[in-house]
Amino acid sequence: AQKVTQAQTEISVVEKEDVTLDCVYETRDTTYYLFWYKQPPSGELVFLIRRNSFDEQNEISGRYSWNFQKSTSSFNFTITASQVVDSAVYFCALRRTNAGKSTFGDGTTLTVKP
Amino acid sequence: GAVVSQHPSRVICKSGTSVKIECRSLDFQATTMFWYRQFPKQSLMLMATSNEGSKATYEQGVEKDKFLINHASLTLSTLTVTSAHPEDSSFYICSASVGDSPLHFGNGTRLTVT
Repeated sequence: AQKVTQAQTEISVVEKEDVTLDCVYETRDTTYYLFWYKQPPSGELVFLIRRNSFDEQNEISGRYSWNFQKSTSSFNFTITASQVVDSAVYFCALRRTNAGKSTFGDGTTLTVKP
Repeated sequence: GAVVSQHPSRVICKSGTSVKIECRSLDFQATTMFWYRQFPKQSLMLMATSNEGSKATYEQGVEKDKFLINHASLTLSTLTVTSAHPEDSSFYICSASVGDSPLHFGNGTRLTVT
């Protein structure tokens, strides 16, 4: 069985602070994909990143960075210099390769105050 | 990038009536589409996997006769909520992918049953 745990239900920061969203997963598969999605108040889900289980390189995209550590089954997401527009619910997800079906964490609601 | 269009975005219906939600992949052929349901402040729960040309695969606990899924073409899947009741009020969201690509989500449908 697969499981994704996002222990932080809600996080509140002040603009320009850095914030890290945690994601821990469980799977018996040796190959899999990990994802992060953003869901703003409008409701749509926006894809942020995909990481293959074979690729443990950390990635940076602008103010976003991701730390994938297979040894601890974690895939954490950091927003540097947060902005009000970053306020949203963020979901971490796990998917078996070529199987399509994804398992989502419960989400972390991030509020960035001006 | 891949676009998934979902229609309608909002629908209000009376108890006992049926509602159809459409999910279209606009610029790619999706052999598989997924239907999720999301309650307020909760995660996405997979309802069913929709396969083109065959019967949908429903998750445990999802009523097949209540949530009818049809995937008649490579670009269209529909979810029909039959004999809707207030407890069916929720946010329904479809997604599609090609191979190992990330899931691309529609903008969701907010269903309110009065």
